[in-house]
Amino acid sequence: DAGVTQSPTHLIKTRGQQVTLRCSPISGHKSVSWYQQVLGQGPQFIFQYYEKEERGRGNFPDRFSARQFPNYSSELNVNALLLGDSALYLCASKPGQGNEKLFFGSGTQLSVL
Amino acid sequence: DQQVKQNSPSLSVQEGRISILNCDYTNSMFDYFLWYKKYPAEGPTFLISISSIKDKNEDGRFTVFLNKSAKHLSLHIVPSQPGDSAVYFCAAIGGTSYGKLTFGQGTILTVHP
Repeated sequence: DAGVTQSPTHLIKTRGQQVTLRCSPISGHKSVSWYQQVLGQGPQFIFQYYEKEERGRGNFPDRFSARQFPNYSSELNVNALLLGDSALYLCASKPGQGNEKLFFGSGTQLSVL
Repeated sequence: DQQVKQNSPSLSVQEGRISILNCDYTNSMFDYFLWYKKYPAEGPTFLISISSIKDKNEDGRFTVFLNKSAKHLSLHIVPSQPGDSAVYFCAAIGGTSYGKLTFGQGTILTVHP
């Protein structure tokens, strides 16, 4: 079975632009989460979606938004990019919405110039 | 507010010896703890977990110990192998977080042949 897939793998944008990152969860997984990992730090929680509804949001500005589609895939959008948004963006999935382990994709490396 | 802390940024160990990675947490609502391993250009991979109702969990060369009174957990790898060289993240879940993982900063483990 395929794992969590993310696209694109790398992305270069300039300040002020907008970006959309995509994620396909493991088949049968209904919960998708997004994390931001800055170099030298652990992943930071951005959003969790379950059954197409937002179930949790981390301490990120409103420039960050996400959605989940009927097939459980998800998109993360970031508007008005700042240099500080440069990071590895990780998508993770799990079967339900309980406290269970997450399965991570390889991430999208975003560079903002 | 760093609720999960890994105070050792790096650890260097000889092949065949024991690696001990430590993690401290402050939130008493955490009741499930996980260790993830991350190689460069890949997403975190689940390694081992422990519920707060246990104080030890073993899986092959990997053992996680939990000391709830000290709010401390550790990961033991015996024997260490060069392929274990990676970044190790401690993570915690609990309360009404809907499965949101709170990560530590990570520890870079280097196992020398």
